[in-house]
Amino acid sequence: QKEVEQNSGPLSVPEGAIASLNCTYSDRGSQSFFWYRQYSGKSPELIMSIYSNGDKEDGRFTAQLNKASQYVSLLIRDSQPSDSATYLCAVNILGSNYKLTFGKGTLLTVNP
Amino acid sequence: DAGVIQSPRHEVTEMGQEVTLRCKPISGHDYLFWYRQTMMRGLELLIYFNNNVPIDDSGMPEDRFSAKMPNASFSTLKIQPSEPRDSAVYFCASSLDPGQTETQYFGPGTRLLVL
Repeated sequence: QKEVEQNSGPLSVPEGAIASLNCTYSDRGSQSFFWYRQYSGKSPELIMSIYSNGDKEDGRFTAQLNKASQYVSLLIRDSQPSDSATYLCAVNILGSNYKLTFGKGTLLTVNP
Repeated sequence: DAGVIQSPRHEVTEMGQEVTLRCKPISGHDYLFWYRQTMMRGLELLIYFNNNVPIDDSGMPEDRFSAKMPNASFSTLKIQPSEPRDSAVYFCASSLDPGQTETQYFGPGTRLLVL
């Protein structure tokens, strides 16, 4: 069973702080990694993608990938109340015919 | 672009009734995905199509579920007969090319409650 694990949270941070969200995956053949944000009652929307080891920055968001440790993370700098949402980690596994396997998500709350 | 369109947005039905969920993908997208989301199991892929052809239906929970894509702009997910455990949010997503660099765009979802 190929799995993607996330801490369910809730993760609570004060406004302006750095929020760190973590994800581990079980299949070493995984090749593409995505972070989706889902506001309550809404659909998931892609905020970051990463394919190679290291860091990828986009505005206040940084995705980090370590394939040796089978670990991917998302850092949100200068957290805002509008960042409060559930963050879903998704993995595309080699040979899975484009299927994305999602973690159950981490609920982030940013307190003003 | 209107994005992925799903209907109905909410559905309340009684156990044993047939439920049909509908999806219109983004124009030009060759891939269409049906997902189910629950608190217990998270977001699960049920089935996906490429150029209107079902490619992988291994996530379809049982024979009560069926999906079709008669043309490039329309897909249905049918549950017959429905059961209370089918209560969930069902998302449709589409993609131009879901390979390494292409994301999937999700519709607003259909919230299904089976009483």
